[in-house]
Amino acid sequence: QTVVTQEPSFSVSPGGTVTLTCGLSSGSVSSSFYPSWFQQTPGQAPRTLIHSTNGRSSGVPDRFSGSILGNTAALTITGAQADDESDYYCVLYMGSGIWVFGGGTKLTVL
Amino acid sequence: QLQLQESGPGLVKPSETLSLICTVSGGSIGGNNYYWGWIRQPPGKGLEWIGNIYSGGSTYYNPSLKSRVTISVDTSKNQFSLKLSSVTAADTAVYYCSRRVELATTTNFDSWGQGTLVTVSS
Repeated sequence: QTVVTQEPSFSVSPGGTVTLTCGLSSGSVSSSFYPSWFQQTPGQAPRTLIHSTNGRSSGVPDRFSGSILGNTAALTITGAQADDESDYYCVLYMGSGIWVFGGGTKLTVL
Repeated sequence: QLQLQESGPGLVKPSETLSLICTVSGGSIGGNNYYWGWIRQPPGKGLEWIGNIYSGGSTYYNPSLKSRVTISVDTSKNQFSLKLSSVTAADTAVYYCSRRVELATTTNFDSWGQGTLVTVSS
């Protein structure tokens, strides 16, 4: 079974730029996997940031951007702010109607 | 603005069936291009896609849960539901309902419920 991989944790300085990735245990991620990214703070429902690789959801600041980098999907946060400290999840479409989430990345801003 | 609200028992006994309802307001559940689904999150762990149902009735399930899961839609009540049979403690989680909008070149999980905690315990 294919596993969707994410960095377990990452840290960024306030004002800095960070790129989180979403890969596959076997193979490369492309736009045909329709990667989406979600932000979740403790006790809250996930918030959709990016859909379909690079589509920014309504109300999401443009310092959040999505792309394909090499063989992974990527979420880049430019000018990180304290309230960006959250868990970030990606999800990929595996075909046949099946979606698989990554294990999530805990982002620390310090 | 579309709103989704989960409801159902917060405590289910082992081996019994977990049943949840998601009520949709601010929009019709019967629209084209809509997939209504369930996602769960065990305490302290990550998100897991359970499955979804197209407004036309087609269903898609996580292969690891497929034998125990049923998702259905009641368009007259603007609701969809989740049934998970033969539950164990491993099914203890916050359960979220969601909508995914699928267009020609994009697909977007654009709406989420607030989530409801279901604990499996005797």
